[in-house]
Amino acid sequence: AQTVTQSQPEMSVQEAETVTLSCTYDTSESDYYLFWYKQPPSRQMILVIRQEAYKQQNATENRFSVNFQKAAKSFSLKISDSQLGDAAMYFCAYRSARTSGSRLTFGEGTQLTVNP
Amino acid sequence: DARVTQTPRHKVTEMGQEVTMRCQPILGHNTVFWYRQTMMQGLELLAYFRNRAPLDDSGMPKDRFSAEMPDATLATLKIQPSEPRDSAVYFCASGLNSGSHQPQHFGDGTRLSIL
Repeated sequence: AQTVTQSQPEMSVQEAETVTLSCTYDTSESDYYLFWYKQPPSRQMILVIRQEAYKQQNATENRFSVNFQKAAKSFSLKISDSQLGDAAMYFCAYRSARTSGSRLTFGEGTQLTVNP
Repeated sequence: DARVTQTPRHKVTEMGQEVTMRCQPILGHNTVFWYRQTMMQGLELLAYFRNRAPLDDSGMPKDRFSAEMPDATLATLKIQPSEPRDSAVYFCASGLNSGSHQPQHFGDGTRLSIL
């Protein structure tokens, strides 16, 4: 079974600064997908960024980028130029590429605070 | 933007009562997932459907929980009888195809409180 671990329950960053959220996972599969979801106080689960394991290039979405290290099974999220609206709980998630393995396995979450 | 719609947003009821949560997936999505979020367990999968057929409900307590998709536009999650430990936020998510890089889109959740 796959597991996802987020070792930082809480992180804080100053507005306009950069912060990196850590995520590691364990799997015996070679083909899979990784996601970061954001959950603000409104409780919505919002997709931030995704990475296909077969791609070596790190995914980037505006101020959000990942550092995907497949051999180390690490998938960290970097938020540049942090904004107050980035404050939320961030979840790292794993998904198998097998058709029978569509479930998302989530980490415990990291609560990000952005200080003005 | 197309969205997953969940009703009700909030539900407070007494233990022993039946609870029904509803989800309207995004039109055209063929996979539907039910997740439960609690402080202690985090986010965990309860059940999921592909093309309306249940594929995995191993995360769901079978004695009191049931999940169905009467048609492609409606998924339901029922708890009967409800217990205080069922208090949680229940999310429905939908997506396109299994084993796909396409992300799951989440509804806003139903916050359930069992007294």
